[in-house]
Amino acid sequence: GNSVTQMEGPVTLSEEAFLTINCTYTATGYPSLFWYVQYPGEGLQLLLKATKAEDKGSNKGFEATYRKETTSFHLEKGSVQVSDSAVYFCALSGAQGAQKLVFGQGTRLTINP
Amino acid sequence: DAGVIQSPRHEVTEMGQEVTLRCKPISGHNSLFWYRQTMMRGLELLIYFNNNVPIDDSGMPEDRFSAKMPNASFSTLKIQPSEPRDSAVYFCASRVGTNQPQHFGDGTRLSIL
Repeated sequence: GNSVTQMEGPVTLSEEAFLTINCTYTATGYPSLFWYVQYPGEGLQLLLKATKAEDKGSNKGFEATYRKETTSFHLEKGSVQVSDSAVYFCALSGAQGAQKLVFGQGTRLTINP
Repeated sequence: DAGVIQSPRHEVTEMGQEVTLRCKPISGHNSLFWYRQTMMRGLELLIYFNNNVPIDDSGMPEDRFSAKMPNASFSTLKIQPSEPRDSAVYFCASRVGTNQPQHFGDGTRLSIL
């Protein structure tokens, strides 16, 4: 079946550090890939997406590239801020007609000043 | 643009009581999803609708849970009777198209005493 595996958290970094949160997936067909972010007390918000191989999604300084060969969609940011502290979810949908979003378990990120 | 609107934001009630959670999807979106989020189990899909028709309810935990979507602009998730283990944050999300991202509401934080 379709699945998403994320880097175990929690992750704690200092402000201006480089961030990578790993995400790998298993899917049949050609899924779309997403990163969602959840700030405390809020719902999930779409951060970025990519719909085909080698697409790069980007938003708010975050980037992720859809790598079909390695079935990965790692999230990166060059210089994190305290306001980036949140839980990040990798997800896929559309694999072989499946309409559901399949989420990873989430990675809690804390940025210290 | 109004996002997905959920009500109530918080609900505290005693076990055995009926609980009704409400969701108004984004206008024009034809798919609606109900999720439950807990610390132990993460984000779980309960049920989703396409064009007001339930497509997959395999995530609904028990017969105590039911969901309806009487029209394109309204859905309810009902728990009867409620139990303490139902305490969680319940999210509603909507989407237009198969590979498009889902848009989440701010959730209903449910506490069953």
